[in-house]
Amino acid sequence: QQQVKQSPQSLIVQKGGISIINCAYENTAFDYFPWYQQFPGKGPALLIAIRPDVSEKKEGRFTISFNKSAKQFSLHIMDSQPGDSATYFCAASRGAAGNKLTFGGGTRVLVKP
Amino acid sequence: DAGITQSPRHKVTETGTPVTLRCHQTENHRYMYWYRQDPGHGLRLIHYSYGVKDTDKGEVSDGYSVSRSKTEDFLLTLESATSSQTSVYFCAISETGGQPQHFGDGTRLSIL
Repeated sequence: QQQVKQSPQSLIVQKGGISIINCAYENTAFDYFPWYQQFPGKGPALLIAIRPDVSEKKEGRFTISFNKSAKQFSLHIMDSQPGDSATYFCAASRGAAGNKLTFGGGTRVLVKP
Repeated sequence: DAGITQSPRHKVTETGTPVTLRCHQTENHRYMYWYRQDPGHGLRLIHYSYGVKDTDKGEVSDGYSVSRSKTEDFLLTLESATSSQTSVYFCAISETGGQPQHFGDGTRLSIL
């Protein structure tokens, strides 16, 4: 049973466009929601994270939107660039439980120049 | 980059053989984690450690064991490797249980 469901599996966007990736979770005890970016041959790198006491967090061109009642959160990449082409993973955890992350299945993003 | 070194980076072995993967950190972080990455499944937690000699199971722990005798080293052992354990294995560390995790660059393991 996958506790964090991520969509779409892949995404193609033109340079300058907006990339949107969605995640839904089931466990209402989750209280930490990070997004990771992964390039081929590398480990995932933390991109941005949010806790459920806020509905939105922005860092540069990356924004997380969080809807606690719907148990959904999303990543928006504004003004997408070819260098953003990577695989993105959403995740969730309970901080008090050793921060064990439960990951979504990943979204491969390709930004065309 | 967080000081995490995984070894080996690539390994090919045969079914039934024992395999040990090593994660070495230079950050003196308390928490260490082992994940496996498979297409469509994201990353799944195998085992984690919250201190020397303190370990616990993750969601896919069957067939795997771990040991942590020093703060800096976390070993993952496949006692008798099976083809279903072919995967990319990632180690992660975090300073405390509530802090972000930082990942190594992975070990690609193929079991024939």
